[in-house]
Amino acid sequence: AQSVSQHNHHVILSEAASLELGCNYSYGGTVNLFWYVQYPGQHLQLLLKYFSGDPLVKGIKGFEAEFIKSKFSFNLRKPSVQWSDTAEYFCAVNDFSSGSARQLTFGSGTQLTVLP
Amino acid sequence: SQTIHQWPATLVQPVGSPLSLECTVEGTSNPNLYWYRQAAGRGLQLLFYSVGIGQISSEVPQNLSASRPQDRQFILSSKKLLLSDSGFYLCAWSVFEDTQYFGPGTRLTVL
Repeated sequence: AQSVSQHNHHVILSEAASLELGCNYSYGGTVNLFWYVQYPGQHLQLLLKYFSGDPLVKGIKGFEAEFIKSKFSFNLRKPSVQWSDTAEYFCAVNDFSSGSARQLTFGSGTQLTVLP
Repeated sequence: SQTIHQWPATLVQPVGSPLSLECTVEGTSNPNLYWYRQAAGRGLQLLFYSVGIGQISSEVPQNLSASRPQDRQFILSSKKLLLSDSGFYLCAWSVFEDTQYFGPGTRLTVL
């Protein structure tokens, strides 16, 4: 079964610091990769996704992620965080091991706190 | 544009009582529908998904069931709630097997 690891459970940064959140998955075949964000009091929103093509994906609010197939990784980055980026971030993967891509497996999430 | 609704937003129920959570999607036809439970520090766990009316797949054996009586309506139910059913329940939709979009969720507390 697919598993997704987010090793950083809580990250605390000051404004303007650079961010990198790690995400590793286990399935070695074709995958679709996602980052979702949940701001305080709001519902889960899509930040960016990778299906195919350029492994460097740009999302909303200045976020980007890089798919490195050899490392089974899809790390999220932002060069300069803002206080408003305080949120919980979830990496998710769906794979085609069962013949369909309906199985979306989530990591346990990383809580990002940005200090003003 | 598509929107997804869930109600109620919060619910407090005694152990042993029944449960019915509703999810509806607007602006799309024949979506795939999903129920997830989110536990603190544990991400989201897929509970059920449906590819059409009356078609339900269960991912985790438990005290819950799901039904899809209409194309854009997905219901999560229980006959008798357990303390362990407390959590945050999210409904999501997708078209074919593309990106899943999530609703605002229902916070369930079982006392």
